[in-house]
Amino acid sequence: AQKITQTQPGMFVQEKEAVTLDCTYDTSDPSYGLFWYKQPSSGEMIFLIYQGSYDQQNATEGRYSLNFQKARKSANLVISASQLGDSAMYFCAMSPWGQGGKLIFGQGTELSVKP
Amino acid sequence: NAGVTQTPKFQVLKTGQSMTLQCAQDMNHNSMYWYRQDPGMGLRLIYYSASEGTTDKGEVPNGYNVSRLNKREFSLRLESAAPSQTSVYFCASSEVFSPQTQYFGPGTRLLVL
Repeated sequence: AQKITQTQPGMFVQEKEAVTLDCTYDTSDPSYGLFWYKQPSSGEMIFLIYQGSYDQQNATEGRYSLNFQKARKSANLVISASQLGDSAMYFCAMSPWGQGGKLIFGQGTELSVKP
Repeated sequence: NAGVTQTPKFQVLKTGQSMTLQCAQDMNHNSMYWYRQDPGMGLRLIYYSASEGTTDKGEVPNGYNVSRLNKREFSLRLESAAPSQTSVYFCASSEVFSPQTQYFGPGTRLLVL
């Protein structure tokens, strides 16, 4: 079964520190895409970062990086130098190639950044 | 360039009423999707349209119908609303139907009494 697991319902981090949000996935498809989305309290879904299963290097986008460990089936999001505006829900999602563009989401992690 | 727009932003229905949620994108994307988000959960796919003229069921299609009106517009219809359909509904689009970034609309909050 295709599944995304985010085991941290909520996390706190001090402003300016780095934080890692965990994500593990389960798929039998050899090729897939992994995504992270941010959902602030206003409710919109904001794309952060993408990693393809055959990409050799971990994806980075500004302060966001994706720690991709294929053998462990994990795709953790690392946010460096946390800012107050990073407080939000974060969702990990997967799209197996065999299912076209369909996204499978995890349950999310609520991140709170403390000043 | 508005991206993905949804109407209405908020709606209250009584059980048994019907309504249509509208979605439009101006990015010339081929694929469009409808998701629902229940409290404390991630998004679940209701229906999708891989390309203009095609629609298909996602994970939770019961109680819904969709129409891909043209390349830009993809509507979601609730024929007889039930309290279990109280949720936030998101429309999304992507360039093609493959694992790539989907861009989301602002969402529609639906309350069914």
